[in-house]
Amino acid sequence: SQQGEEDPQALSIQEGENATMNCSYKTSINNLQWYRQNSGRGLVHLILIRSNEREKHSGRLRVTLDTSKKSSSLLITASRAADTASYFCATTPLETSGSRLTFGEGTQLTVNP
Amino acid sequence: NAGVTQTPKFRVLKTGQSMTLLCAQDMNHEYMYWYRQDPGMGLRLIHYSVGEGTTAKGEVPDGYNVSRLKKQNFLLGLESAAPSQTSVYFCASSYPGGYGYTFGSGTRLTVV
Repeated sequence: SQQGEEDPQALSIQEGENATMNCSYKTSINNLQWYRQNSGRGLVHLILIRSNEREKHSGRLRVTLDTSKKSSSLLITASRAADTASYFCATTPLETSGSRLTFGEGTQLTVNP
Repeated sequence: NAGVTQTPKFRVLKTGQSMTLLCAQDMNHEYMYWYRQDPGMGLRLIHYSVGEGTTAKGEVPDGYNVSRLKKQNFLLGLESAAPSQTSVYFCASSYPGGYGYTFGSGTRLTVV
């Protein structure tokens, strides 16, 4: 079963708008990561947030983490057509050896020009 | 910077055939992983390794074997391919703790 669940499954916005994607998970984590995947391509690491962090920024990306609710959100500000992709959250659970990532099913973001 | 390199990029197999997927990383990462991704889904872990000579099962290990004879290489084998193994396979490597995770570009495998 998937550890993370993204919400919404699909999101369509206009260029320049902000996009917010949410992720929920089930077990205690060491860290949570967000990835982007363009159609037919590999995964690109966007940002990592540790379990003791609440918010992190990287360029137009803002990630929040609420460990009490076991949830995270990814905000992309001033979206561009090039941001069109699938976005996945992935967690490294505390009890898991080998730093395995457990992925959600992703949010498909479409940014219309 | 090569990062994580997977070969081949595409492959078509007949049911019952065998093959090996090769993953190589040049970042001196201790940990390496094989994931599969089915349409519309996230990645699921097949097998992983925390160091040279070690391997362990992930979430969906059945039908696959792996070997890590050298720190920089992680091989994924299919002994008798089945249509259910049609998928895109991703290799990744990282430091302990899940830091520095880097993915390869994927191998698209079709079993007919």
